[in-house]
Amino acid sequence: GIQVEQSPPDLILQEGANSTLRCNFSDSVNNLQWFHQNPWGQLINLFYIPSGTKQNGRLSATTVATERYSLLYISSSQTTDSGVYFCAARYGGATNKLIFGTGTLLAVQP
Amino acid sequence: EPEVTQTPSHQVTQMGQEVILRCVPISNHLYFYWYRQILGQKVEFLVSFYNNEISEKSEIFDDQFSVERPDGSNFTLKIRSTKLEDSAMYFCASTGDTAGGYTFGSGTRLTVV
Repeated sequence: GIQVEQSPPDLILQEGANSTLRCNFSDSVNNLQWFHQNPWGQLINLFYIPSGTKQNGRLSATTVATERYSLLYISSSQTTDSGVYFCAARYGGATNKLIFGTGTLLAVQP
Repeated sequence: EPEVTQTPSHQVTQMGQEVILRCVPISNHLYFYWYRQILGQKVEFLVSFYNNEISEKSEIFDDQFSVERPDGSNFTLKIRSTKLEDSAMYFCASTGDTAGGYTFGSGTRLTVV
């Protein structure tokens, strides 16, 4: 079936460090989004990025659709970056549903 | 920025009771969704809704579940007879078209006791 896989599953950083989170998907996508789930459980949309590169402050994302992966970069991490990061993909065709990956749990220590 | 609004934020219910989770999608969006996240697990698709009917549903979305758009603004998820395993965070989402990004609500944390 359609798969969305994320790595690493867990990541511990010191404040100020940089990190790269990876999302692999098993087929062509027409939507790829990155979300941050905060400690209260809310899903915060970070990027809508089916292809190309986008930047928003200390965060940036790149999707290489032809190679079926997306990367989320976090620079100069802060304790408020802690939480779970999910990528989610939509494969088009007859379905509009987003399929979520299993997430990366990030802990940024002061 | 437009938001998807969900109420209540928390709900505790007894096993066997009916619950209705409410959502107000973004006003000009056409596609509506419910997702579920059991504690510590990934977010799972439940159902999609377009043009006043279900367009797709998952295996989780059995006869205990139903969705409705009773007026031009609300979108509801009803669980007819709750079970302990229905305890989860439920997210509503909407999108304007099949190519655009999804906007998720803040979720309703349902606890069945």
